[in-house]
Amino acid sequence: DIQMTQSPSSLSASVGDRVTITCGASQSISRYLNWYQQKPGKAPKLLIYAASNLQSGVPARFSGSGSGTDFTLTISSLQPEDFATYYCQQSYTTPTFGGGTKVEI
Amino acid sequence: EVQLVESGGGLVQPGGSLKVSCAASGFTFSGSDMHWVRQASGKGLEWVGHIRSKANSYATAYAASVKGRFTISRDDSKNTAFLQMNSLKIEDTAVYFCIRYGSSGNYYAFDIWGQGTMVTVSS
Repeated sequence: DIQMTQSPSSLSASVGDRVTITCGASQSISRYLNWYQQKPGKAPKLLIYAASNLQSGVPARFSGSGSGTDFTLTISSLQPEDFATYYCQQSYTTPTFGGGTKVEI
Repeated sequence: EVQLVESGGGLVQPGGSLKVSCAASGFTFSGSDMHWVRQASGKGLEWVGHIRSKANSYATAYAASVKGRFTISRDDSKNTAFLQMNSLKIEDTAVYFCIRYGSSGNYYAFDIWGQGTMVTVSS
């Protein structure tokens, strides 16, 4: 299985901050990388697919980049509703997830 | 409205069995690959398994942690997927999500999620 490693596991930020979360794959996965946001007690929500494509309805302050083994999710200006846990997931082979990054105030 | 609704979760003793269902609406269920992902309390997301569409011969695959104990099936006439869990262990305790694996070209992602159903394995 392909292992996905996210960093940091948690971070503290303020409204308006630029936030960057990284995700690494144990082998090259081209651009087969998705990002999800999960709020407490809720199902995850797809934000970004194919490394950099914004899912319909997702605000443009979210962006994704990368290919191969190294990927980044960026929130350009953190909003109050963005405090949540973020997961990366590879779709190159049998799906696997990163361990998550909790974004806290 | 596009949605997935899970049901059938509950409390079961170690070694017992449970079958959870996932009812789909608002999209073409028969043409969709369906996955199950679980999440233990306070933990991350773990892929459990999938069943592909009829066009892909209803192929199934499972995580090593559940292989031989869990079975995924579907009834396209009822737009419903199922997760049969046997020989349950305490470590199977989690919220179980049913998810559509949607595609854009060659790229797949979990684009429609159910609300999750809680399965608790305890004596």
